[in-house]
Amino acid sequence: EIVLTQSPATLSLSPGDRATLSCRASQSISSSLVWYQQKPGQAPRLLIYDASNRATGIPARFSGSGSGTDFTLTISSLEPEDFAVYYCQQRSNWPITFGQGTRLEIK
Amino acid sequence: EVHLLESGGGLVQPGGSLRLSCEASGFTFRKYPMTWVRQAPGKGLEWVSSIDTSGLERYYADSVKGRFTVSRDNSKNTLHLQMNSLRAEDTAVYYCAKYSGSGTRVFDFWGQGTLVTVSS
Repeated sequence: EIVLTQSPATLSLSPGDRATLSCRASQSISSSLVWYQQKPGQAPRLLIYDASNRATGIPARFSGSGSGTDFTLTISSLEPEDFAVYYCQQRSNWPITFGQGTRLEIK
Repeated sequence: EVHLLESGGGLVQPGGSLRLSCEASGFTFRKYPMTWVRQAPGKGLEWVSSIDTSGLERYYADSVKGRFTVSRDNSKNTLHLQMNSLRAEDTAVYYCAKYSGSGTRVFDFWGQGTLVTVSS
């Protein structure tokens, strides 16, 4: 099973700041990495697939990068609605696995 | 507009059974693989099961293998999850989600979830 480790667990920033979230895989997954955003009481929302491709309707301030084992989700300038929990997911191998999440909170 | 509506959750005793359903609309259901993902209270996301378009290929997390069965009825645009021998650790919100395309394992639309509570 591929283990995904997200860091930091919690990130405290202010609106307008740049956010950098990390996801590390226990073995190479090429570019088969997906990012989701989840707000309290809501279902997850697809942000990024295949490491760097924004999903339909996702603002350009969200970007993804990386390949192999190290991946990054960057939010260039935080908007109030961006404070949420972010999960990475690998789609390379069965079983599909998720990281434990990074909580992005308002400082 | 894609819409996924889960139902069938509730309170069940350990060892009991439940059948979840997910009614799909707004897309051609028979063309897309589907999946179940769960989230225990205050915890992260855990993939549970996936099924291909025909219903012949099914995949399960080790934690539910042999106890849960995923199925689909393409004539009724409905996905199911039969859950047997339920345990306290199965307590979670269960989401159904749609694949973005065949074989992608990218989940582009999610339902709002149904809560399953396993407790005596």
